[in-house]
Amino acid sequence: GAVVSQHPSRVICKSGTSVKIECRSLDFQATTMFWYRQFPKKSLMLMATSNEGSKATYEQGVEKDKFLINHASLTLSTLTVTSAHPEDSSFYICSARDLRQGVGDEQFFGPGTRLTVL
Amino acid sequence: GENVEQHPSTLSVQEGDSAVIKCTYSDSASNYFPWYKQELGKRPQLIIDIRSNVGEKKDQRIAVTLNKTAKHFSLHITETQPEDSAVYFCAANSPTGNQFYFGTGTSLTVIP
Repeated sequence: GAVVSQHPSRVICKSGTSVKIECRSLDFQATTMFWYRQFPKKSLMLMATSNEGSKATYEQGVEKDKFLINHASLTLSTLTVTSAHPEDSSFYICSARDLRQGVGDEQFFGPGTRLTVL
Repeated sequence: GENVEQHPSTLSVQEGDSAVIKCTYSDSASNYFPWYKQELGKRPQLIIDIRSNVGEKKDQRIAVTLNKTAKHFSLHITETQPEDSAVYFCAANSPTGNQFYFGTGTSLTVIP
């Protein structure tokens, strides 16, 4: 149980285009999902908290108009990188918490999406 | 948000030896501390976690200790094996209990 998927796993796009990344909880409901960004050999940097049915909460320094988050259902959150530029190239990973868990419990991670902007 | 520091950034040990990774956190309200293992290009996998109401937890060759007063916690891996080679991240939860803030990671290499 507790499987999280991401799609696509890898995407290459031209500068100026927008890219949508999907994060799905496959066998559980998640009212809260999280989006992280990871540079090579670096840590996971929390970008935003995605809340089902409400606006996402962004961490300090993360542009909400650049990284659009939509959490339309209890099993799906999407991250759209708008007008992508080479500096947006990174590994994007989502995670989800099982609705049945209490506060502070495990997050389950997706396999990540490698974004390369040319 | 929470500030988590992790040391060392790289660690090499001989197979069979022990490895210790240390983390400190800033917010005394944090009450959940997971450790994740990440292999290259893969998703982080939870290997052990500890809550603030206990001081130590062990699972076979892996143990975690927590000192709430000093706000630091450590991962201990005994009898290391080559397959333990990976990047390890500690994390602490936010006071609201939902977000995780990760340490900077430790690249562990176990030399056969």
